[in-house]
Amino acid sequence: DTAVSQTPKYLVTQMGNDKSIKCEQNLGHDTMYWYKQDSKKFLKIMFSYNNKELIINETVPNRFSPKSPDKAHLNLHINSLELGDSAVYFCASSRRGQEYNEQFFGPGTRLTVL
Amino acid sequence: AQKVTQAQTEISVVEKEDVTLDCVYETRDTTYYLFWYKQPPSGELVFLIRRNSFDEQNEISGRYSWNFQKSTSSFNFTITASQVVDSAVYFCALSEIQGAQKLVFGQGTRLTINP
Repeated sequence: DTAVSQTPKYLVTQMGNDKSIKCEQNLGHDTMYWYKQDSKKFLKIMFSYNNKELIINETVPNRFSPKSPDKAHLNLHINSLELGDSAVYFCASSRRGQEYNEQFFGPGTRLTVL
Repeated sequence: AQKVTQAQTEISVVEKEDVTLDCVYETRDTTYYLFWYKQPPSGELVFLIRRNSFDEQNEISGRYSWNFQKSTSSFNFTITASQVVDSAVYFCALSEIQGAQKLVFGQGTRLTINP
């Protein structure tokens, strides 16, 4: 019973293509996140949705567009892929509130742009 | 702005040695959370601990212990009697309690335990 799942796990594509990564959580959380881990292992927030509303939008190129069809899903669409987009993308979810807010991470999607 | 610094990029020790991973953070918030995550070679992110800024008690869990010192803005992680399976990249992270609660990660420390 996977808590946070991502598809695909690996994605290899050519520069200029458009691709999507999907994320689903079955934890009943109301907040979902996308993080990017670059080749130096540095992890940085990209987006966050709370109850399907965008609440975090860091300085990410507008080629990246998140979409949250419902609280359990947060997809990431990337247009016109560039070499620098190669990274591991992690989805996470949490229950936003006054207290405990551990984020549960998915297994990651390794994107390679050729 | 929030910032987390893990000054040790890589650490290599021999099995059974104790090792401490340093974490220093900056925040203007008076209340916040601190975390440690482990990323083994398989790549997933594994949650290890969360600490509320109100709670400065040190915590021990088996061979792992955490030393939180608000006065020095540090949240260090010690592994006692290290094992080869402890080899991983370890991340310290900071989150606001209010607001969007995004995680701000340090650069990570790559720990290698040699047999």
